[in-house]
Amino acid sequence: DQQVKQNSPSLSVQEGRISILNCDYTNSMFDYFLWYKKYPAEGPTFLISISSIKDKNEDGRFTVFLNKSAKHLSLHIVPSQPGDSAVYFCAASAFNNDMRFGAGTRLTVKP
Amino acid sequence: KAGVTQTPRYLIKTRGQQVTLSCSPISGHRSVSWYQQTPGQGLQFLFEYFSETQRNKGNFPGRFSGRQFSNSRSEMNVSTLELGDSALYLCASSLRQGSGYTFGSGTRLTVV
Repeated sequence: DQQVKQNSPSLSVQEGRISILNCDYTNSMFDYFLWYKKYPAEGPTFLISISSIKDKNEDGRFTVFLNKSAKHLSLHIVPSQPGDSAVYFCAASAFNNDMRFGAGTRLTVKP
Repeated sequence: KAGVTQTPRYLIKTRGQQVTLSCSPISGHRSVSWYQQTPGQGLQFLFEYFSETQRNKGNFPGRFSGRQFSNSRSEMNVSTLELGDSALYLCASSLRQGSGYTFGSGTRLTVV
């Protein structure tokens, strides 16, 4: 059961522009959401998170937005840089439960 | 502090064999989770251990099993390997369930 969905397998943007990665979830019990970034031959690394009591969290160039009614979250990267090129995974968990991941979106930032 | 350590990094096995993968979590982390990553499927949840107890299990056949030791180190075992088991197996640790995970670099398993 794919409780967390990333429907875009890939995204390409120009350096300096905004990258928007989207994620949908089906389990209304999820209350904690995270984004991970993964480079080839490395494990995913934590990027940014948001709890269900908020609708926005910002960390430098990265902002995550949460729309609970739509069960949708998005990651905005502004401005995008070539070093941001990686696979981005959306993840969600319910209190004291395991974390579920989406299939990932491969972001390519072109110079 | 040391990160999550997974051994071995690469493994080649033949069909029908069994394999054991190891994961040492960050010191103090008691929750260890295992994921399988294959192209197009993202990270598929295998199981999670907390204080030596399996708390959650994903939708994988019984050939996939795991355990956690008193020092929080965890092992994952796959018996009767199939070609489709070829994947990157990732281990992640956290202080408690559901909190941010720190991942290891993974074990790349190839079944031939």
